[in-house]
Amino acid sequence: QVRLQESGPGLVKPSQTLSLTCTVSGGSISSGDYYWSWLRQHPEKGLEWIGYIYYSGTTYYNPSLKSRVTISADTSKTLFSLTLNSVTVADTAVYYCARELRGLYGMDVWGRGTTVTVSS
Amino acid sequence: IQLTQSPSSLSASVGDRVTITCRASQGISSSLAWYQQKPGKAPKLLIYAASTLRSGVPSRFSGSGSGTDFTLTISSLQPEDFATYYCQQLNSYPLTFGGGTKVEIK
Repeated sequence: QVRLQESGPGLVKPSQTLSLTCTVSGGSISSGDYYWSWLRQHPEKGLEWIGYIYYSGTTYYNPSLKSRVTISADTSKTLFSLTLNSVTVADTAVYYCARELRGLYGMDVWGRGTTVTVSS
Repeated sequence: IQLTQSPSSLSASVGDRVTITCRASQGISSSLAWYQQKPGKAPKLLIYAASTLRSGVPSRFSGSGSGTDFTLTISSLQPEDFATYYCQQLNSYPLTFGGGTKVEIK
């Protein structure tokens, strides 16, 4: 059974770079059946999709964040990462990694989420 | 694609039938999923392809609709169903979510 776990700093200063990692256990991101995604949820707000990486290395980002976001995967294929540049307080949120089953099946596996606060 | 959920919140009693609607700003065929989220937890996939119940999800949950109008129905609300529900469109990227419907105890 695949499990996902986010990790990274809980506090980032404005204008700096947010970096998070999602560790995949019980499987790898080598399967072509899935997109490996990042999402976030602002305090008391709804969900925002950030982007995904495919096993081939192909990425797709939300246009609203595209200029600041990079999603990459480790060569071990057991973790993938999110980098968000030039953060502001508006980037304060709970960040989730999730697995999307290709073919319109939705996101069937989620990490527990990690809270990131942007503050000086 | 914008998704508008209604109501944004509702109060219901155990045993009630609950219906939540999700309207898309353009047609998305059946490319819609529903999630349940409890406080402090990650969302949990309930339904995909508008009406297909994910394995292991109780049969009191059901989804319907296509095009722009969708519904999630809980036939008999149980104590563990009090949560926030989100719809998500998977028709095109960027993927988007509805604003959520909070189901509270009456």
